[in-house]
Amino acid sequence: DIQMTQSPSTLSASVGDRVTITCRASQSISSWLAWYQQKPGKAPKLLIYDASSLESGVPSRFSGSGSGTEFTLTISSLQPDDFATYYCQQYNSYQLTFGGGTKVEIK
Amino acid sequence: EVQLVQSGAEVKKPGESLKISCKGSGYSFTSYWIGWVRQMPGKGLEWMGIIYPGDSDTRYSPSFQGQVTISADKSISTAYLQWSSLKASDTAMYYCARLGRDGYNLGPFDYWGQGTLVTVSS
Repeated sequence: DIQMTQSPSTLSASVGDRVTITCRASQSISSWLAWYQQKPGKAPKLLIYDASSLESGVPSRFSGSGSGTEFTLTISSLQPDDFATYYCQQYNSYQLTFGGGTKVEIK
Repeated sequence: EVQLVQSGAEVKKPGESLKISCKGSGYSFTSYWIGWVRQMPGKGLEWMGIIYPGDSDTRYSPSFQGQVTISADKSISTAYLQWSSLKASDTAMYYCARLGRDGYNLGPFDYWGQGTLVTVSS
């Protein structure tokens, strides 16, 4: 199975900061990677798919990059609504896997 | 509008059986994989398995194979997640979600249900 490792697990940042979250796959997944945002008590929300495509309705301050085994999610200017937990997920094979999550906290 | 509506919260005792549901609407239910995702209290997301309602092809995570059963009734556009004998460790929120590519193609989970909280306690 493909393992997905996210870092950091927790991130403290201020409004306006540029934030980067990394996700590494244990083997190549081409660009078959998605990023989700989850707030407490809510279902996850799709932000980015195919590593770098922005889901409709998602603010342009979110961006994704990478291919193969290393991927990043960047928030260009952190807004109050962005404090949440972020997950990556690969869909390269029928064995889908999520990363462990990155909690973005207020500094 | 695509919607996935899950059944309500459940409180069960260890050893009991349970079947929770996820009803899809607003799209061709038989043409998209539906998946189940577990989230234990305070923990991350875990993929459990997916089913293609068009032909009931089902794939399980090794962690959940044999522990749960995923099924679908395409006549009523509903997917199910079932346990034959619950354990306290099954206490979690369970989400269904649609893989956002039609046909047999994999993709991201683009639409999610609201979640079903399952509590197993004696």
